[in-house]
Amino acid sequence: GIQVEQSPPDLILQEGANSTLRCNFSDSVNNLQWFHQNPWGQLINLFYIPSGTKQNGRLSATTVATERYSLLYISSSQTTDSGVYFCAVGNAGGTSYGKLTFGQGTILTVHP
Amino acid sequence: DTGVSQDPRHKITKRGQNVTFRCDPISEHNRLYWYRQTLGQGPEFLTYFQNEAQLEKSRLLSDRFSAERPKGSFSTLEIQRTEQGDSAMYLCASSAAGGIQETQYFGPGTRLLVL
Repeated sequence: GIQVEQSPPDLILQEGANSTLRCNFSDSVNNLQWFHQNPWGQLINLFYIPSGTKQNGRLSATTVATERYSLLYISSSQTTDSGVYFCAVGNAGGTSYGKLTFGQGTILTVHP
Repeated sequence: DTGVSQDPRHKITKRGQNVTFRCDPISEHNRLYWYRQTLGQGPEFLTYFQNEAQLEKSRLLSDRFSAERPKGSFSTLEIQRTEQGDSAMYLCASSAAGGIQETQYFGPGTRLLVL
């Protein structure tokens, strides 16, 4: 199956700093999502981005499908950005039915 | 659109007991997924429904686990003869089909603790 690697595993920032999270995947995909998991366990959708670039406020994401990686940028970080960030990929072709394979996550801690 | 809901949010049970969880997907979504997340790990796929048909099951889904989606709307996940290793967060997600509609939306999860 598809392998997903996220880096770095842990990231500690001061409020206001910028950061880049990376997701590498081992095979072609037609679904790539970034999530933020809050302290209560809820997975919050950030981006659906199998290719290209998207921006939403202080967050933006870029996926280069041909090189099998995606980047999540967080600018001017705030303490509320703390939590675990997951990249998940899927391929709805064939018999995989679009199930998502998750990376191990990046634990982000933003200090005031 | 009220989002994906799950019930209960928390469940504590003794080893050997049976438990059942419910998931209500977003109303117009025909695809429903169950995932399991253990501490410090990313969620792992368990099973997938398209309408009422269960089309894929992970090897993680032992014969003690069964899932149903009887009318293509809500789904249930039952664990029989629970074991301590079943302690985890059980997550449900739903999606429509095609393009950006492949986006999976997750419920709040059911946190299971087996004593």
